[in-house]
Amino acid sequence: DVKVTQSSRYLVKRTGEKVFLECVQDMDHENMFWYRQDPGLGLRLIYFSYDVKMKEKGDIPEGYSVSREKKERFSLILESASTNQTSMYLCASSLYLYGGLAVYNEQFFGPGTRLTVL
Amino acid sequence: QKEVEQNSGPLSVPEGAIASLNCTYSDRGSQSFFWYRQYSGKSPELIMFIYSNGDKEDGRFTAQLNKASQYVSLLIRDSQPSDSATYLCAVNMLNYGGSQGNLIFGKGTKLSVKP
Repeated sequence: DVKVTQSSRYLVKRTGEKVFLECVQDMDHENMFWYRQDPGLGLRLIYFSYDVKMKEKGDIPEGYSVSREKKERFSLILESASTNQTSMYLCASSLYLYGGLAVYNEQFFGPGTRLTVL
Repeated sequence: QKEVEQNSGPLSVPEGAIASLNCTYSDRGSQSFFWYRQYSGKSPELIMFIYSNGDKEDGRFTAQLNKASQYVSLLIRDSQPSDSATYLCAVNMLNYGGSQGNLIFGKGTKLSVKP
């Protein structure tokens, strides 16, 4: 069964702390994604990765960094947490696709981490 | 321009009725279309995908795609209170990383099914 796990369901941190959110998938997927979800704003892409050691900025990368040292693991790092980073963080993974074919590339989501920064 | 538009709702339907959820998208190069269901406090889960014009049925769910109109919809027949959730439309836009796996998500429509 397909599985994406995230290290914590709930996390409370203080302003200025360095925060690590971990995501692990067991489907041998090449692609991994980090989103945040806020009421009224929907899912917003923070960073994504198509391969080990590579990363690409999404729509809202400011204040975040990522690490992908192994294929199955994608970490999101908040270098200095701020209150406006209080949010639900969702990790997802999918297969890598070749060319421009119309294909089925479902993203599988982890359970999410609800982060509160005080 | 990468936009996926959904009516935020809430859309309220009585139990047993048909719920109709709509989504429009901006990129004519889009090729795959997904409907995710998200219960409150949970993560999104895929319920339907479609990539050819026309209808695709799976149980009580039917996805409809019209690429010429850049429109995709989800019909839920015999709606149940357990269908109450937010439904996210997601689009694989080739001009925005779609060939490599990126999806563009709408903000979702909240559906409420009243017993």
